[in-house]
This record gives sequence, structure tokens and C-alpha cells, in this order.
Amino acid sequence: KQEVTQIPAALSVPEGENLVLNCSFTDSAIYNLQWFRQDPGKGLTSLLLIQSSQREQTSGRLNASLDKSSGRSTLYIAASQPGDSATYLCAVDSGNTPLVFGKGTRLSVIA
Amino acid sequence: DAGVIQSPRHEVTEMGQEVTLRCKPISGHDYLFWYRQTMMRGLELLIYFNNNVPIDDSGMPEDRFSAKMPNASFSTLKIQPSEPRDSAVYFCASSARLLEAFFGQGTRLTVV
Repeated sequence: KQEVTQIPAALSVPEGENLVLNCSFTDSAIYNLQWFRQDPGKGLTSLLLIQSSQREQTSGRLNASLDKSSGRSTLYIAASQPGDSATYLCAVDSGNTPLVFGKGTRLSVIA
Repeated sequence: DAGVIQSPRHEVTEMGQEVTLRCKPISGHDYLFWYRQTMMRGLELLIYFNNNVPIDDSGMPEDRFSAKMPNASFSTLKIQPSEPRDSAVYFCASSARLLEAFFGQGTRLTVV
């Protein structure tokens, strides 16, 4: 059974710092890995989707990498801003199964 | 497209009452998912449909929970009778061919 772990559970950084959020998964036979953002009391917003044949995806200040063999992904946020404060969720699927989620990393960017 | 639309956004009900949550997926998506989110357990898959057919309902916690998808543009999740431990945020999501998943804003259910 696939399990997804996100470390750290919470992170607080000063504005302007670059930061890395970590995601690990137990079964490396994944098809897609997706990073989401969730603001308090809101739904999930898809940030980046990495297919198993890809090693990274970039969107603006966000860069997500994928190492299937080691069962790891990282989300890099450059020049963090207070508006980046949210919970970031990592999820994987195996191609014929729905997404399995980690419990998220709660990020606070302090002005 | 307006995205995945869920209703109601908030529901407060008394224990024992029937609760119905509604979802309209993104047009053209062939997969629909129902998830439940709690502080303790995070996001858990309850059930998912492919082309309106339930594929896996092993995540549905009890027989009190049921879900239907009568057509490609509508799904319901029903809890009857509701209990306080059902209090959570329920999300509906849809995707095309199990690619990128898009989530609705969720329904926050409180059972008192």
C-alpha cells in the first residue's frame, strides 16, 4: 500500500528565503506526482504535475523535482513571500489508481 | 470552465439526520473522486468513479455512506444517519484519464 510522507510538518521562514519541502513515497512505481497548495478553509489548488518520465517541472518561483528510484520529490520555493503561506500537499498515483496524499507541510512566511 | 463545483459549502446538521453533498465535475473529465479531510487522518479517498461507474468504494467508512453518479455532470455523497464523527471537510475532484486532478472548494460538514 502506497504511503506518502511529508517533512517537515510545519515550517516558518523569514520573507525572501529560499526553501525546500520534502515528500517521500514507499512504492516507486508511480505514474504522476502532484503538488498542491491549500489555504486555510479552502480547496486544493494544483501547483505542479510531474509525470514519471520527467525529473522536474517549473512554474514561476516554484520548482518540483522527482527521483522515482529513491521515492522522493522536493518542492523548491525561491524568494519566499508572505503570500506563499499555506499548506503544501504532495500526492502520487500509480497510473490506474487515484491520488494518495501526504499530510502536508504547513508553511509560514514571516514579513 | 468554472472548475469543480461543490454544494453546500457548509452544512451543520443534527446527529441522525441525512446529509447529501453535491458535486459537479469539470466538463469532459471522466474520473470523479470523493475525499474526506480531517486533522488526524489528512486526505482520505472515499470512492471514485470512471465514466459514471463506481470503481473502488473501499474507502467508504460504513454502510451509512453512499455515493452515486447518475450522469457525467453530477455526483452525490450521502450520509444516513449522520454521526458527530463524520464531521470533516469533504472534497470532490475530477480528472481526465487520471492525469492532473482538480479539486472543488469542499463542503465543511459539522454534525452536532
